[in-house]
Amino acid sequence: DIQMTQSPSTLSASVGDRVTITCRASQTIYDWLAWYQQKPGKAPKLLIYKTSILENGVPSRFSGSRSGTEFTLTISSLQPDDFATYYCQQYNIYSSFGQGTKLEIK
Amino acid sequence: QITLKESGPTLVKPTQTLTLTCTFSGFSLSTHGVRVGWIRQPPGKALEWLALIFWDDDKRYSPSLWSRLTITKDTSNNQVVLTVTNMDPVDTATYYCAHSPSGYGDYVFAHWGQGALVTVSS
Repeated sequence: DIQMTQSPSTLSASVGDRVTITCRASQTIYDWLAWYQQKPGKAPKLLIYKTSILENGVPSRFSGSRSGTEFTLTISSLQPDDFATYYCQQYNIYSSFGQGTKLEIK
Repeated sequence: QITLKESGPTLVKPTQTLTLTCTFSGFSLSTHGVRVGWIRQPPGKALEWLALIFWDDDKRYSPSLWSRLTITKDTSNNQVVLTVTNMDPVDTATYYCAHSPSGYGDYVFAHWGQGALVTVSS
């Protein structure tokens, strides 16, 4: 099984901050990685797939990148609506999710 | 507009079989490249992918749960059914069904149902 390790588990930030969430795969997954945003009591929302392709309607302040087996989700300037939990998901071999990163208000 | 909705029991007893139905609209599971999957999330925990069914009736299951899962589709009624055998309290979770459109890659879920909380308790 491919393990996905996200860091940090919790991130405190302020509106306007640039934040980065990292996800490391236990083996190569090429570019087969997606990011989701989830708010309490709601279903996840797809943000990015294939490492860096922005889903329709997702603001351009979200971006994704890859270096080897390490993937990064960056929010360039945090907005109040961005405080949520973020999950990475590999889909190279079956699928598995990271443990989540909770982005909270500082 | 694409919508999905999960339905089924909210409470099951240990060792029982859980049957969940996903009823969807706005797309057809007979269209080339379309998939529907199931994902669950225990309270306060991370997402876990369970199963995926393809437009051509191909199926994929989580390696850790495959022996307990069955996914089927009823294309004419726009439904996908997931059964989970031998339920245990650790299977208590919100169960989501989700749509993976053509062109997004297998397992990429662009549309989700609202989720159905299933509690396993005697």
